[in-house]
Amino acid sequence: SAVISQKPSRDICQRGTSLTIQCQVDSQVTMMFWYRQQPGQSLTLIATANQGSEATYESGFVIDKFPISRPNLTFSTLTVSNMSPEDSSIYLCSVTTGGADTEAFFGQGTRLTVV
Amino acid sequence: SQQGEEDPQALSIQEGENATMNCSYKTSINNLQWYRQNSGRGLVHLILIRSNEREKHSGRLRVTLDTSKKSSSLLITASRAADTASYFCATTDNYGQNFVFGPGTRLSVLP
Repeated sequence: SAVISQKPSRDICQRGTSLTIQCQVDSQVTMMFWYRQQPGQSLTLIATANQGSEATYESGFVIDKFPISRPNLTFSTLTVSNMSPEDSSIYLCSVTTGGADTEAFFGQGTRLTVV
Repeated sequence: SQQGEEDPQALSIQEGENATMNCSYKTSINNLQWYRQNSGRGLVHLILIRSNEREKHSGRLRVTLDTSKKSSSLLITASRAADTASYFCATTDNYGQNFVFGPGTRLSVLP
């Protein structure tokens, strides 16, 4: 299992600014993932954070907008840059511990409102 | 894409009743998992069923999987107000990777 501490839990930000979300895991994990959940919607994968290399982004997400750091096997950050109201969402970090039947473990989420 | 789809989108029942949610997917899977999310918080894993299993139980939860129809159902028996949450199915590929989450069912259990 894995316990994830994600912060901040919520924030209200002005458009044009940036917010960095932190994700700390209580054990070393290879795979860390960042998701966006728009209001009333399901989870959409933004990127996979790889330790020691650049993150792998999904279609529709770019590094300039969502830069990710992964300095070690227990920590990652996601920055939402140059925010607009359309970025208002819940952002979730997640890890898996490997194996064919691994489950996904999630942080508590960051509820972002851009005004 | 092997995105799961769920129905109903929203379900409202009385406490004590059973709640059934369905999930469909498109491609071959390694397993199918169900997660719960309270009020936009992080998701919590509920139960996993492997592609070679047909039914699985955990407490008040019962999950079925029909790989021929590419569908699964989650049954919550004797529901409680505390079961009010959104429920998501998720599939993984043959390597147990690449989680894809369905659109979710919002369950409201009225006291």
